[in-house]
Amino acid sequence: DQQVKQNSPSLSVQEGRISILNCDYTNSMFDYFLWYKKYPAEGPTFLISISSIKDKNEDGRFTVFLNKSAKHLSLHIVPSQPGDSAVYFCAASGSGGGADGLTFGKGTHLIIQP
Amino acid sequence: DVKVTQSSRYLVKRTGEKVFLECVQDMDHENMFWYRQDPGLGLRLIYFSYDVKMKEKGDIPEGYSVSREKKERFSLILESASTNQTSMYLCASSNMNTEAFFGQGTRLTVV
Repeated sequence: DQQVKQNSPSLSVQEGRISILNCDYTNSMFDYFLWYKKYPAEGPTFLISISSIKDKNEDGRFTVFLNKSAKHLSLHIVPSQPGDSAVYFCAASGSGGGADGLTFGKGTHLIIQP
Repeated sequence: DVKVTQSSRYLVKRTGEKVFLECVQDMDHENMFWYRQDPGLGLRLIYFSYDVKMKEKGDIPEGYSVSREKKERFSLILESASTNQTSMYLCASSNMNTEAFFGQGTRLTVV
């Protein structure tokens, strides 16, 4: 059973507009959430994270929102740029501080159109 | 600059061969992981290790084993490669309560 779900396999956004990527989770033991970006033939690179004690974390153009009651998080990218075109993975870890690995969603392919 | 280095970017192996994928990290991280990435399936955890000589099964350990003799090195072993093990293999490392850093990946093709 999938514990981290990204229900949109792809998303197309115009350059300069806001990109919103969504993620849902089912395991209430998850307490740390991360977003990774991945280009083809490369390893994922860390973008931003949020602890379950917060509901928002911001880093430059990237903001992650967490709604614990809905078990939902989202990544906002504003403004979207051509270099943002990539696959974005949502990931979660439990109370072990990540020592037992991350659980990933299947990814959303973000396409930024000029 | 922090680094996780995987020994090969691309590998082609024959069915039945024993395959070794090597990973080295220079960040003195406690935890190391092996994932595989397949289209439409995301990243799935094969094995992880939280200390030297310690190893734990992830979600899909069948057909794989691992070795961690030194803190900085974590090896993934395919005992007898099969075509369904054709995949992108990703090594990662982390400390407690920090993000995981990934290597560049190894694209393994089993023919």
